[in-house]
Amino acid sequence: SQQGEEDPQALSIQEGENATMNCSYKTSINNLQWYRQNSGRGLVHLILIRSNEREKHSGRLRVTLDTSKKSSSLLITASRAADTASYFCATDGTASKLTFGTGTRLQVTL
Amino acid sequence: NAGVTQTPKFQVLKTGQSMTLQCAQDMNHEYMSWYRQDPGMGLRLIHYSVGAGITDQGEVPNGYNVSRSTTEDFPLRLLSAAPSQTSVYFCASKILWEGDTGELFFGEGSRLTVL
Repeated sequence: SQQGEEDPQALSIQEGENATMNCSYKTSINNLQWYRQNSGRGLVHLILIRSNEREKHSGRLRVTLDTSKKSSSLLITASRAADTASYFCATDGTASKLTFGTGTRLQVTL
Repeated sequence: NAGVTQTPKFQVLKTGQSMTLQCAQDMNHEYMSWYRQDPGMGLRLIHYSVGAGITDQGEVPNGYNVSRSTTEDFPLRLLSAAPSQTSVYFCASKILWEGDTGELFFGEGSRLTVL
């Protein structure tokens, strides 16, 4: 069964707007990661946040983690058309297995 | 570095045929894994390996075999293909021990259709 579930399933915004997507998970984690997938390509790692961290930034990305609610959010500021992709959260509850959510499809229009 | 290389990129099989999806990485990663991606299901772990000679099952292992004879290669075998195995398959690897950042490196995927 899926550990993580992203919300919304799809998001359409205009260039320059901020995009927020959420991830909920079921069991305790060591860390949570976000990945991006362009259409027809493999996944690319964006950012990792550890269970003892509450917020992390990387460029235009901001990730928050609330372990009490078992949820995380990914904020992309000042979106660009090139940000159009699917975004997945992944949790690492056990040392060797990374479990992915179902993904959010982001469409950024000009 | 080529990273993670998967072959073939596309394959069409008939039900009952067998085939092997190849995966190779040149980053000396201990950990290698296979995922399948289906619409609305996200990625599901099939098998993984933490080093040469060591493999273990993931979430959906039935119908698939793996082996890890070298650090670089992790082939995925379908012994008797079924239409339910129509999917996009991704191989991914990472550092497991010293220097583990948790980041998985993915191949570009292999799209398999079983008729």
